Amino acid sequence: DAGVIQSPRHEVTEMGQEVTLRCKPISGHNSLFWYRQTMMRGLELLIYFNNNVPIDDSGMPEDRFSAKMPNASFSTLKIQPSEPRDSAVYFCASIRGSSYNEQFFGPGTRLTVL
Amino acid sequence: AQSVTQLDSHVSVSEGTPVLLRCNYSSSYSPSLFWYVQHPNKGLQLLLKYTSAATLVKGINGFEAEFKKSETSFHLTKPSAHMSDAAEYFCVVSDGYQAGTALIFGKGTTLSVSS
Repeated sequence: DAGVIQSPRHEVTEMGQEVTLRCKPISGHNSLFWYRQTMMRGLELLIYFNNNVPIDDSGMPEDRFSAKMPNASFSTLKIQPSEPRDSAVYFCASIRGSSYNEQFFGPGTRLTVL
Repeated sequence: AQSVTQLDSHVSVSEGTPVLLRCNYSSSYSPSLFWYVQHPNKGLQLLLKYTSAATLVKGINGFEAEFKKSETSFHLTKPSAHMSDAAEYFCVVSDGYQAGTALIFGKGTTLSVSS
């Protein structure tokens, strides 16, 4: 199994540009999570999906952030327009079934907004 | 509502000495508890988990944690630290068993190991 796949691994963009982060969960996993990690705020849950349906997006910072999961094997996190304070590492994770099970994390996307 | 508190933001030990990373939790129900490790510039990896079976849980790389309900604690220990243990450690709680319940992460504890 290839694990959770995220792309790109690194993204450098200028303020005001649109950024799209991509995630492919592990096949057969039915829940997907997007996290953001910064030095100041630690690891924050942004949004999560169960069976492709958004369950809780209360962690999404503001309307500039949006996430979609059009099918079981793909999700995107979009920031439009991006701002320097969005610079962080964004992780995607997936899980099969119950939350008693292990969440598998992708390698992360390091986003730098200049 | 559930929450988790990691009592130390940074722990420093010498190689070969014991490691203790402290975690307290708050949960409305019988929680599931996890410890994840993150090495520099890497994703998170599960070390161990507690899901209402044995209260002493053994994980990978010689780590273990003990669930103490009376103290609402789930401290992570290792008898002898190795240089490769230097990383960020996260204590995590979930009190939902349904699919798709989110996990709550602590702020993390940075473990430094000196030779």
